Order: sequence, then C-alpha cells, then structure tokens
Amino acid sequence: NAGVTQTPKFQVLKTGQSMTLQCAQDMNHNSMYWYRQDPGMGLRLIYYSASEGTTDKGEVPNGYNVSRLNKREFSLRLESAAPSQTSVYFCASRSRGMNEQFFGPGTRLTVL
Amino acid sequence: QQQVKQSPQSLIVQKGGISIINCAYENTAFDYFPWYQQFPGKGPALLIAIRPDVSEKKEGRFTISFNKSAKQFSLHIMDSQPGDSATYFCAASIPGSARQLTFGSGTQLTVLP
Repeated sequence: NAGVTQTPKFQVLKTGQSMTLQCAQDMNHNSMYWYRQDPGMGLRLIYYSASEGTTDKGEVPNGYNVSRLNKREFSLRLESAAPSQTSVYFCASRSRGMNEQFFGPGTRLTVL
Repeated sequence: QQQVKQSPQSLIVQKGGISIINCAYENTAFDYFPWYQQFPGKGPALLIAIRPDVSEKKEGRFTISFNKSAKQFSLHIMDSQPGDSATYFCAASIPGSARQLTFGSGTQLTVLP
C-alpha cells in the first residue's frame, strides 16, 4: 500500500515551459487535492476534486489546470511556468465520509 | 485573506518542556480543526484533530484546547522531545463533500536536547 505517490520529486523549469505533476493514490479515496507550500504561508489549495469527474478551483488556481484522470489519478498542469510558481507542491486524498487528508511526499519545483 | 492565523512562527523549547502553538479562525462555519505535523522533505501528516463540540482532546503527549467563543484553538505538546522537532500546521474545514482545508502559516518547533 503506497498511499499517495507524486512524480517527479524535483523539477527545474525555465520561464514559459510547461509540465504536468502527477499524483496517484491506492486507497480508493474519492476526493483529491493539490496544494502549494511556500515559506511563511502554510499550504494553499490550488484545485480539488471532490469525486471522480468533478474539479473545482481552490484559493490560488491562476496559472494551473487539473485533470482527474480516474479515481486514482489527479494531475496538475502548468501551461506556461512563471518564477512565482516556484514552490513545493503536495497532492492529498481523502475518503468519503472521513475528514483526514493523506498527503504525498511533494514535488519541489523551481522556475528560473 | 488568511482565515486561520497561527503563532508563533518559530518556537524553541528545551527537552521535557511544554510547547504551545496557537491558532485563531474567523469563519464560524468551520467544524473540524486538525493539526498536521511535517518533517523536512516529507508531506504533512495528521497529528490530532478536534470538533467544536468539545473543549479539549488529548492523545498521548499532544492536547488540543478549543475555545469556541474566542474562535481560538491551541496545540500543547507535553514533555517535548527532540523527535518532536518539526513544522506544525493548524487547519480548519467546513462541512461539504470536498472538505477543503484552510491552513495556518505554520510553526517551526525545535526541541533542544
């Protein structure tokens, strides 16, 4: 049981490049989330998917898109990366009817 | 707009001491208040959580105190250990199918041996 997995672990992009961050969970959870973590700002919600087939914007969605590919996978795409998107990105998942979110190990992204 | 305010930003405690981290919230619709613990290079993990219908919850050395009228809650770590050195985040969520979490800004705790 791997829990929540994220790929890649590290990534360096140049301004304007695009990339997709991958997230998968093997806990049969319904809801999945993408957060970014910046120093002194805690974790801020980018997008979430309450259930398979639905996605919604969180607090800081600008510059990002998401795809809930199936119940297991939830990807985050940066179409044209900017230095302001340098951050650590965390994916999380949650079972229906439960409150606890389980987090992946994170992706550290640097945009030059 | 930061709906959950956390303090202090950093905290240094001697081994065996009590660590106290405070959070205040604004949205009275919040009905679930977890604390997450994060070690360097890892994702956050749930430490302990409370609902607003109780004033205190204790799990081992970790206690949440909740004051609904003041819209404040705090984490107390008794007999702090060097292994407790980590970043702690308070959070809150509202009812609904998504249960989005709103996090505080985090507290970096260092427990000196």
